[in-house]
Amino acid sequence: NAGVTQTPKFRVLKTGQSMTLLCAQDMNHEYMYWYRQDPGMGLRLIHYSVGEGTTAKGEVPDGYNVSRLKKQNFLLGLESAAPSQTSVYFCASRMTGSSYTFGSGTRLTVV
Amino acid sequence: TQLLEQSPQFLSIQEGENLTVYCNSSSVFSSLQWYRQEPGEGPVLLVTVVTGGEVKKLKRLTFQFGDARKDSSLHITAAQPGDTGLYLCAGLPSGNTPLVFGKGTRLSVIA
Repeated sequence: NAGVTQTPKFRVLKTGQSMTLLCAQDMNHEYMYWYRQDPGMGLRLIHYSVGEGTTAKGEVPDGYNVSRLKKQNFLLGLESAAPSQTSVYFCASRMTGSSYTFGSGTRLTVV
Repeated sequence: TQLLEQSPQFLSIQEGENLTVYCNSSSVFSSLQWYRQEPGEGPVLLVTVVTGGEVKKLKRLTFQFGDARKDSSLHITAAQPGDTGLYLCAGLPSGNTPLVFGKGTRLSVIA
């Protein structure tokens, strides 16, 4: 089925560990986004990309890095995880003028 | 940063009742979207409103975009338990800038 696939779905990290979240879309979408969702905070934009090889900072970029080496993939990296990064992470993609398609999320716990 | 204030944050009602969720901002948006999110899943688009004063109906759901394109409302008639979920409004500031999300309204409809 076409859509946005996020891996992994769940992960527990120790403080200071690193990890990469993968977002893959098979819809040839130009734009891709990483959001985090915390209780009572809605969805907050971390980083986004307007095309292959481009990235830009969103509202809450500190502590995260991203890469878009291939059009279909958008990677979110945590170099040194902190408990404040415990959250549910959502990836989304879209074409110009279209609505967002979201993945089903990655639930990350940092202990 | 453009903000969207969504109210109420929580809503618990009996089956058959009507309800309205509000989304307000001091900024103008080129369009506004409403999403619904189920537990463990990403948000799914319900509707996009583009023109000031526009009203769209989706079965028992009525969406309105304010004349000045700064606010929107979602009205549900005769709510059903299947309407339970998190409702998010999201505004598009302009062109291809990322969506700005409200904090969401968690609706619970009790049978």
